[in-house]
Amino acid sequence: AQKITQTQPGMFVQEKEAVTLDCTYDTSDPSYGLFWYKQPSSGEMIFLIYQGSYDQQNATEGRYSLNFQKARKSANLVISASQLGDSAMYFCAMGTPSGTYKYIFGTGTRLKVLA
Amino acid sequence: SAVISQKPSRDICQRGTSLTIQCQVDSQVTMMFWYRQQPGQSLTLIATANQGSEATYESGFVIDKFPISRPNLTFSTLTVSNMSPEDSSIYLCSVDQGGETQYFGPGTRLLVL
Repeated sequence: AQKITQTQPGMFVQEKEAVTLDCTYDTSDPSYGLFWYKQPSSGEMIFLIYQGSYDQQNATEGRYSLNFQKARKSANLVISASQLGDSAMYFCAMGTPSGTYKYIFGTGTRLKVLA
Repeated sequence: SAVISQKPSRDICQRGTSLTIQCQVDSQVTMMFWYRQQPGQSLTLIATANQGSEATYESGFVIDKFPISRPNLTFSTLTVSNMSPEDSSIYLCSVDQGGETQYFGPGTRLLVL
């Protein structure tokens, strides 16, 4: 069975510091994608970053990077130089191309950036 | 990425009534998805909406409760039927544009009294 696990319900980080949000996954599919989304209090889901299972290098998008460790089945999100606007819920998701490319989501981590 | 809008953005409804949520995309997309996010919870996929065919529902969701329409490649509706307080959630539509990444609409916040 496929599963996404986020073990940190809440995290605090000081402004301008880096923070790592953990995500582990489980799947028997050799091809899959890992995604991170940000959900501010407004409720919208904002796509941050994507890592494909066959990608050799870790994905980066501006201040976001994904620490992909395939053997350990982990896909941690690293946010560098945290800003107050980064305070939000963060969801890790996995998609597999079994017919339709459907997602399953983790339970999320609430990040609070402190001034 | 596609620009996605949802209507209404929020609503308060009485139990036993139905609400239809609209999802509009500014470009043609193959797949549209509907998710539910109950208070304090993660997102759960309700169904996948394909143009020109019946929606494909996930386990635990049925067409009588959540009928879906997909009349063309830019529009879909989700109806929440015979509502109860347990249906209070954020309902989100998402699209993919042929790749792996899904882009989400702003969501519809529903409160059922």
